[in-house]
Amino acid sequence: AQSVTQLDSQVPVFEEAPVELRCNYSSSVSVYLFWYVQYPNQGLQLLLKYLSGSTLVKGINGFEAEFNKSQTSFHLRKPSVHISDTAEYFCAVSEAGSARQLTFGSGTQLTVLP
Amino acid sequence: GAVVSQHPSRVICKSGTSVKIECRSLDFQATTMFWYRQFPKKSLMLMATSNEGSKATYEQGVEKDKFLINHASLTLSTLTVTSAHPEDSSFYICSARDRGRDYGYTFGSGTRLTVV
Repeated sequence: AQSVTQLDSQVPVFEEAPVELRCNYSSSVSVYLFWYVQYPNQGLQLLLKYLSGSTLVKGINGFEAEFNKSQTSFHLRKPSVHISDTAEYFCAVSEAGSARQLTFGSGTQLTVLP
Repeated sequence: GAVVSQHPSRVICKSGTSVKIECRSLDFQATTMFWYRQFPKKSLMLMATSNEGSKATYEQGVEKDKFLINHASLTLSTLTVTSAHPEDSSFYICSARDRGRDYGYTFGSGTRLTVV
């Protein structure tokens, strides 16, 4: 079984500042890793995913994440945030090579301040 | 890209009635769909895995008789909340995996259920 920990429940940041949302996972098998964004009363939109290959993954809206196997982390970063980035962000993990369900972290509310 | 349509987006029902939520994959076939429940300010909790043509697999603690799941075709799964009570009020989200894309999980837009 896998588990995901998002240490920060809320992250306030000023507009145009950089941001990092932290995600750590636990698993006894190889995993795939995902970051999703959720706007109020909406479903989840995929930002990026790591399946294999380069550990630096670039996604939509200027986000990127780095897979660090030794630290079992998959932190999400953006060099300059916008007001429109205000949303809930979820890190998720699934067992590599399988069609099993995603396991989600508890989420991080990113609030971009003017 | 892959699109999952979930309907209705909002529903208010009286206590004791049943509500059906539909989840459709519009441009791909989904042999497996997942149903999640999300409480306010909380993460997504997997309720069940819906498999086309077979019985759904429910997570521990989820009442099978209350949350009926049917996956009759490769593009449609339904979740029926039977005899709904106020404690069933929540945000329900479905997800489908597109076999043609690298482990792409696409989510519906969610259904806000309010039981009064």
